Amino acid sequence: GAGVSQSPRYKVAKRGQDVALRCDPISGHVSLFWYQQALGQGPEFLTYFQNEAQLDKSGLPSDRFFAERPEGSVSTLKIQRTQQEDSAVYLCASRLSSNTEAFFGQGTRLTVV
Amino acid sequence: AQSVTQLDSHVSVSEGTPVLLRCNYSSSYSPSLFWYVQHPNKGLQLLLKYTSAATLVKGINGFEAEFKKSETSFHLTKPSAHMSDAAEYFCVVSTYNNNDMRFGAGTRLTVKP
Repeated sequence: GAGVSQSPRYKVAKRGQDVALRCDPISGHVSLFWYQQALGQGPEFLTYFQNEAQLDKSGLPSDRFFAERPEGSVSTLKIQRTQQEDSAVYLCASRLSSNTEAFFGQGTRLTVV
Repeated sequence: AQSVTQLDSHVSVSEGTPVLLRCNYSSSYSPSLFWYVQHPNKGLQLLLKYTSAATLVKGINGFEAEFKKSETSFHLTKPSAHMSDAAEYFCVVSTYNNNDMRFGAGTRLTVKP
């Protein structure tokens, strides 16, 4: 596609609900990142994929967060039993290689009520 | 591991005056460094990047940054601010070995008429 696409753009979840956030990276991009951006803060690293391999998940805040990229393209970030502190914008980015530009999606704004 | 520190959370300048946004990095390996801009309710956009070529990097919209290894800095400058430059700016570090990107906390630039 022309850019990184994320869906849904907005999601309201009741506390305790499970959510799944989708990221369609730019075709052919090997690297894929997930970030969490709380209101007024910089993006915080969550996890990184190279093709289908999840090479770094050190930023996932708890075992309620899970990410996958089974075929090395589309990625899903799943949050189980959502809590209010999970409210944030979740950003996905993809890039061709380590020293090239990363392209970001518009993000998914998650609000947990 | 690598990290970035953006030394100012908020910078305010008058239209037509110079802009300086400061960034210091920490990295065990030769870093790649980026500046991204985020306008309200918009996605992150790359301004410029340093990837071990010329130390003075020119980006879009008249911005430039200089990589200074001895000072571990990558400050962003612009000779003359426009009202449209008002946004949040993020300094980002990435390394080939770690192959991930870490964001600074961001600097909010305000431009006064």
